[in-house]
Amino acid sequence: DIVMTQSPDSLAVSLGERATINCKSSQSVLYSSNNKNSLAWYQQKPGQPPKVLIYWASTRESGVPDRFSGSGSGTDFTLTISSLQAEDVAVYYCQQYYSIPFTFGPGTKVDVK
Amino acid sequence: EVQLVESGGDLLQPGGSLRLSCAASGFTFSNYWMHWVRQAPGKGLVWVSRIKSDGSSTSYADSVKGRFTISRDNAKNMLYLQMNSLRAEDTAVYYCVRSSWYFDYWGQGTLVTVSS
Repeated sequence: DIVMTQSPDSLAVSLGERATINCKSSQSVLYSSNNKNSLAWYQQKPGQPPKVLIYWASTRESGVPDRFSGSGSGTDFTLTISSLQAEDVAVYYCQQYYSIPFTFGPGTKVDVK
Repeated sequence: EVQLVESGGDLLQPGGSLRLSCAASGFTFSNYWMHWVRQAPGKGLVWVSRIKSDGSSTSYADSVKGRFTISRDNAKNMLYLQMNSLRAEDTAVYYCVRSSWYFDYWGQGTLVTVSS
């Protein structure tokens, strides 16, 4: 199984400041057929289901604000919120969809400082 | 508008059985792989099972293999999860999820509580 780890476990950022979340997979999730990394980021607010923000490591889902961006390749990935807004308070998960069982990171809680 | 509506969650005793349902609408259900993902109270997300668009292939997490069965009825736009030999550690909100490679739409979830 591919193990996903995230850092930090939580972070508090001032409104308008940058938030950076790291995700690491225990093996490469690069899908050779399309040369894309099978890595997605989800946002989950309290009492709500997760919502996809980023897929193929760096493609923003339709309707997601452009302050959210994803980067990385192979085994190391990053989700960046360029200017934190109050509505971004949530838990963020990375996930690999390269191989079964699809696995999620443990989550990173983002709060406003 | 894509909608996934789960139902069937309940409180039951260890060893019991339950069938979860997910009603899909707003898209061509038969074109998509579907999944169940669960989340124990206060915990993270765990993938449980998936089924191919035509129902011909299924996969399971080791923790549920042999106890849970995923199925679908494309004529009725329904996804199911039959859960047998339930354990306390199966207590969770169960989400029905559509995938286009990644998980693009999630239902609101249904709560399954296993407790004596």
